[in-house]
Amino acid sequence: SQTIHQWPATLVQPVGSPLSLECTVEGTSNPNLYWYRQAAGRGLQLLFYSVGIGQISSEVPQNLSASRPQDRQFILSSKKLLLSDSGFYLCAWSVLGVEAFFGQGTRLTVV
Amino acid sequence: AQSVTQLDSQVPVFEEAPVELRCNYSSSVSVYLFWYVQYPNQGLQLLLKYLSGSTLVESINGFEAEFNKSQTSFHLRKPSVHISDTAEYFCAVSDRGGTASKLTFGTGTRLQVTL
Repeated sequence: SQTIHQWPATLVQPVGSPLSLECTVEGTSNPNLYWYRQAAGRGLQLLFYSVGIGQISSEVPQNLSASRPQDRQFILSSKKLLLSDSGFYLCAWSVLGVEAFFGQGTRLTVV
Repeated sequence: AQSVTQLDSQVPVFEEAPVELRCNYSSSVSVYLFWYVQYPNQGLQLLLKYLSGSTLVESINGFEAEFNKSQTSFHLRKPSVHISDTAEYFCAVSDRGGTASKLTFGTGTRLQVTL
């Protein structure tokens, strides 16, 4: 069966520090991979999606970047965090966009 | 481009009462429709989905949703809620087909069930 792992579960980082959130998927090949951010009262905002290794599409301009070094690995990064980067980050995968399966999320607090 | 509107940010309801969570969408192409549920500090879990066929879809825990193409709606209903149904509910839409299909979510509805 397919599973998705996302870590860490919580993270507190100072402003200006770097960020690396990792997501891996098991049990499927060539999935679409997504990073979402959830802010209170704003639903889920799609940040990045990838349809293959090295292929990244950005939905909104911001202080973050994403990479897909392997078929089932998706990384969210930042060189210098801002206070506004705080939020709940969710990784997800799907096949042909029929439905998405989510990780447990990372609560990021930038202080 | 697609969009999803969930007009109710919060819905308070007493246990064993019926509930309806509203969802409307807009899209220029045919879509798949989904309802996800999120419990505190957890990821999203798929509750039910409409892909094709019968416009009424059901979940294993008593929720149902009906796809209404003319009204571009996909409202979620349950005839009798339980305390354990307290959670955030998200409606989502995805365009049909294509390798780059993406889910677009509404802003969510907080269902609060009380005794």
